[in-house]
Amino acid sequence: AQSVAQPEDQVNVAEGNPLTVKCTYSVSGNPYLFWYVQYPNRGLQFLLKYITGDNLVKGSYGFEAEFNKSQTSFHLKKPSALVSDSALYFCAASYNDYKLSFGAGTTVTVRA
Amino acid sequence: EAQVTQNPRYLITVTGKKLTVTCSQNMNHEYMSWYRQDPGLGLRQIYYSMNVEVTDKGDVPEGYKVSRKEKRNFPLILESPSPNQTSLYFCASSFGLGKNIQYFGAGTRLSVL
Repeated sequence: AQSVAQPEDQVNVAEGNPLTVKCTYSVSGNPYLFWYVQYPNRGLQFLLKYITGDNLVKGSYGFEAEFNKSQTSFHLKKPSALVSDSALYFCAASYNDYKLSFGAGTTVTVRA
Repeated sequence: EAQVTQNPRYLITVTGKKLTVTCSQNMNHEYMSWYRQDPGLGLRQIYYSMNVEVTDKGDVPEGYKVSRKEKRNFPLILESPSPNQTSLYFCASSFGLGKNIQYFGAGTRLSVL
């Protein structure tokens, strides 16, 4: 089955420290990979996506993600986290033209 | 402003009382989809629509219905709601799926008593 895994339910970091949110995907096919963020009482917002090409993808709000085909991973990173980055982050994969498979989500808390 | 609008945002109802959650987008998107979000399970697709009059089941379609009579609207219908349908629901739209970005509504929090 095509699936996306986010191994950490929660990530806690101090403001100014690097932030990493992990994501792995199943290997069947070559999916398009996405990161979305959900702030409290809001819908999901697009952060970045990997289609093809450079393995390091840059997105909104200073986030970037590294695609690693050998490890089937697509980890989200930010060099210096802000308190305002505290939110729920979802990794997603599109294997076809009609379904987007989401991970279970990772709650990020950045403490001042 | 480009947006996906869901109504209502909050709804409390009782078992068996039919309800409809509306979804409308103003971006002329062909693809629309409904998801439910539950803790620890992420978002699961309920139904999707590739275009007007074209709909199909997602991963968790039981107990739900949809229709796509117009391109901009994609209502979610619960004919006989049950407590296990208590959840947070999101509508999304895009120009096709694949590598395209999905745009999400603000969500509808439904409680079925």
